[in-house]
Formats: sequence, C-alpha cells, structure tokens
Amino acid sequence: GNSVTQMEGPVTLSEEAFLTINCTYTATGYPSLFWYVQYPGEGLQLLLKATKADDKGSNKGFEATYRKETTSFHLEKGSVQVSDSAVYFCALSASGNTPLVFGKGTRLSVIA
Amino acid sequence: DGGITQSPKYLFRKEGQNVTLSCEQNLNHDAMYWYRQDPGQGLRLIYYSQIVNDFQKGDIAEGYSVSREKKESFPLTVTSAQKNPTAFYLCASTIGKGNYEQYFGPGTRLTVT
Repeated sequence: GNSVTQMEGPVTLSEEAFLTINCTYTATGYPSLFWYVQYPGEGLQLLLKATKADDKGSNKGFEATYRKETTSFHLEKGSVQVSDSAVYFCALSASGNTPLVFGKGTRLSVIA
Repeated sequence: DGGITQSPKYLFRKEGQNVTLSCEQNLNHDAMYWYRQDPGQGLRLIYYSQIVNDFQKGDIAEGYSVSREKKESFPLTVTSAQKNPTAFYLCASTIGKGNYEQYFGPGTRLTVT
C-alpha cells in the first residue's frame, strides 16, 4: 500500500540554521506530494506541494523537490526563524478523492 | 471568506455521553474527512465522504458515526462506545476534480472525564 516515512523528531535548531526534514514515500503510479505545517493548537495548513517528478514546491522560504528516482520529498529551509517552530507533516495523494496518506509528523523547535 | 469551520473549539463531556462535533465548509468541496490526533501523534483517519449521502470508514471508525446530508456539512458523533475519546479532532475537505490538496479546519479539542 501507499505510505510516507519522515524523520522522527524532535528537531531543535538555532535561529538562522539550515533545516532539512527527510520524507520518503512508497506509492504506485505518480502521486502528488505535500508538506503541511501545524502550529500549536491549530489545524494543518498546506505549506507547499508538487504534482509531478522534478517539480519544486516552495513557500515562505521552504522548498521541496519531488524526486521520483529516490522516492523522496525532503523539506528544506536555508535560515529558520523562531516562528517556524511547529510540527511538519509530509503527505501523498495517490488518486481522486481518496484520503491523503500522512507521515507521523516532525516537531521542529527553533531557539533564539 | 471561504473556509472550514469547526465548533466548538473546546468541548467537555462526561463519560457515557454521546457528543457531536460540527464541521461546515463553504468552499463547495466534494469530499470531507475526519481525523483524530493524540498528543505528539500523527493523524488517524476516522471517516470520509466523497459525495453527499455516502461515506466510508477510515482506519479507526469504531465508536464514531457520521452523516453527510448536505455538501457543506459533515458532523461527527463520538459515541459512548469509543473507549478513549479524549483527543484533538480535525475536519478537512478536498475540492476533488483532480485537485487533491486537503484544507483543514481549526480543530476541536474534546475532553471526556
């Protein structure tokens, strides 16, 4: 079946450090890939997405590239801020209106 | 503004009582979903509905029930049969028609004592 594996947290970084959160997936066909962010006590917000191989999604300084050869969609940011502290979820959509498949989430804490 | 509304934000109930969580969307989305999130955990799918008057069980449907009588509304009832109902509940929707990204509501935190 379809699945998403992301690195376990928590991840703690100093402000302005480089961020990478690894995400790999297993799926048949050509899924769409997503990163969502969840701030404390809130719902999930779509951060970025990519719908085909080699697409790069980007938003708010975050980016991720859809790598079909390595089945990966790693999230990166060059310089994190305290306000980036949140839980980040990688997800895939195989087809239609079927539910997204989510990874378990990675908690990021950025300290000043 | 279009979006997904969940109410209330916080809900408290006594053990043995059924409780219904509201989820409304004005995005004209076809599909709607309910997830449960426990502290420090990921999302687990409870139920989803792709069209009005139809819904499917997710991974943890036992002890929950839903209805989809209108496109805009997908209420979730947590019944007394749910053994550990205290959790954060998230509703989401998808426009469908080739666009698969899900939009989430703000969530309802249910505490049962």
